Amino acid sequence: NAGVMQNPRHLVRRRGQEARLRCSPMKGHSHVYWYRQLPEEGLKFMVYLQKENIIDESGMPKERFSAEFPKEGPSILRIQQVVRGDSAAYFCASSGYRATDTQYFGPGTRLTVL
Amino acid sequence: AQKVTQAQTEISVVEKEDVTLDCVYETRDTTYYLFWYKQPPSGELVFLIRRNSFDEQNEISGRYSWNFQKSTSSFNFTITASQVVDSAVYFCALNNNQGGKLIFGQGTELSVKP
Repeated sequence: NAGVMQNPRHLVRRRGQEARLRCSPMKGHSHVYWYRQLPEEGLKFMVYLQKENIIDESGMPKERFSAEFPKEGPSILRIQQVVRGDSAAYFCASSGYRATDTQYFGPGTRLTVL
Repeated sequence: AQKVTQAQTEISVVEKEDVTLDCVYETRDTTYYLFWYKQPPSGELVFLIRRNSFDEQNEISGRYSWNFQKSTSSFNFTITASQVVDSAVYFCALNNNQGGKLIFGQGTELSVKP
C-alpha cells in the first residue's frame, strides 16, 4: 500500500513565477491536509480538503495561495507570484474516514525561491 | 485557545542514555487527540503514536514509551537506551476534534552521540 506521494520533491522558482505542488493521498484516504514548515520554525497548518471541497482554509495566506482536491487526480497547492518568503518545506498529509484519524505525511516538497 | 509547548529546543545525550521529551498542551475541549511524529535528518515525518483524551493508559513500544497525564496536560515521550538512529526532531501535536487541523509544538531536536 503506497504511502502519501508528493511531487516534485524539490522545486526552484524565481520571484514572480508560479509554484504547483502535488499530493496523492494514501489509497482509501479521502482527507488531505497541507502544512508548511518554514526554516527554524515548526509545522503550520494551511488547509484541509476533502474531494472537491475545502473544509478549513484558516491557515492559508489570504493572497497568492490556493488549494484544490478534484474528483479525479491529486490535490494541488498553488502559489502564484512566489516571493522569497515562500521558501519552505510543504508537507501533505492524508487520513482515512474521520478528520481525527491519524494523518500520514508525504516526504514533502522543498520550495526554493531565488 | 489550543496550543502545544515543547520547552526543550535541543537535547544532546550519549548513546544508551534514557531521554524524555516533554510536551504540554492547552485545549478547552474534552475530546481531543495527541500525536508524536519524528522528523529524521532526511526530512520526512514519521508517525509514532496517537492517543485520545479518554485513554490515559501509558503505552510502551519497544524502546519508546509515552506518559499521558491529563491532570498536568502533558504527553511526554521517553526513549530508553537511546541509539544514534534516534537522532531527529520530534514533534508533539494536538487535534482538538474540531476539524482536521493538527497543532504542532515547536519540536525538540534530539542528538544522540556515540
